[in-house]
Amino acid sequence: NAGVMQNPRHLVRRRGQEARLRCSPMKGHSHVYWYRQLPEEGLKFMVYLQKENIIDESGMPKERFSAEFPKEGPSILRIQQVVRGDSAAYFCASSLGPHNEQFFGPGTRLTVL
Amino acid sequence: AQSVTQPDIHITVSEGASLELRCNYSYGATPYLFWYVQSPGQGLQLLLKYFSGDTLVQGIKGFEAEFKRSQSSFNLRKPSVHWSDAAEYFCAVGDPGGSGNTGKLIFGQGTTLQVKP
Repeated sequence: NAGVMQNPRHLVRRRGQEARLRCSPMKGHSHVYWYRQLPEEGLKFMVYLQKENIIDESGMPKERFSAEFPKEGPSILRIQQVVRGDSAAYFCASSLGPHNEQFFGPGTRLTVL
Repeated sequence: AQSVTQPDIHITVSEGASLELRCNYSYGATPYLFWYVQSPGQGLQLLLKYFSGDTLVQGIKGFEAEFKRSQSSFNLRKPSVHWSDAAEYFCAVGDPGGSGNTGKLIFGQGTTLQVKP
């Protein structure tokens, strides 16, 4: 049973470009969480999605960031017009439900030049 | 607001020595409590969790944690540390439920553990 998969593992973008981060949850999981880890900090919640619905986006920056979890395919975290401050590790977690154990992917490390 | 504090940013212990990593939380009720470990460049692995019941929780890799309601703490312990335990450890709290609660986790800043030979 494959775990949570994220790709790419490493992503380099220049300022102003777009970054797309993908997360495939564990088989049978329909709940996805995105977290961001800035250097030397803990993980910060960004957004919680179920299939085709955004449930809680209270941790998402108001501009440039968006997330989706379509009926088919992986969840996508999209960052438009990246800036250097977006450089971080972005982790996805999936679970069976909102109060079940979350299983984390290996993360995508975004570097903005 | 909910918060998690890990007072120790870095801890160094000798191999074979005992370990205790501290975690304090601020929450209106009893939250769900977790300890995760992160090796360099890797994702997070769950060590143990507390939802209810026995306040002493056993986890993987010989770790245990004790929930103390009166102190709002959930400290992680291991009686004898191995060199492979060197990593970053995160304490987290989750909302146990209720209308509008989404189960998002709130993490502490982490404690980096170094193990001396």
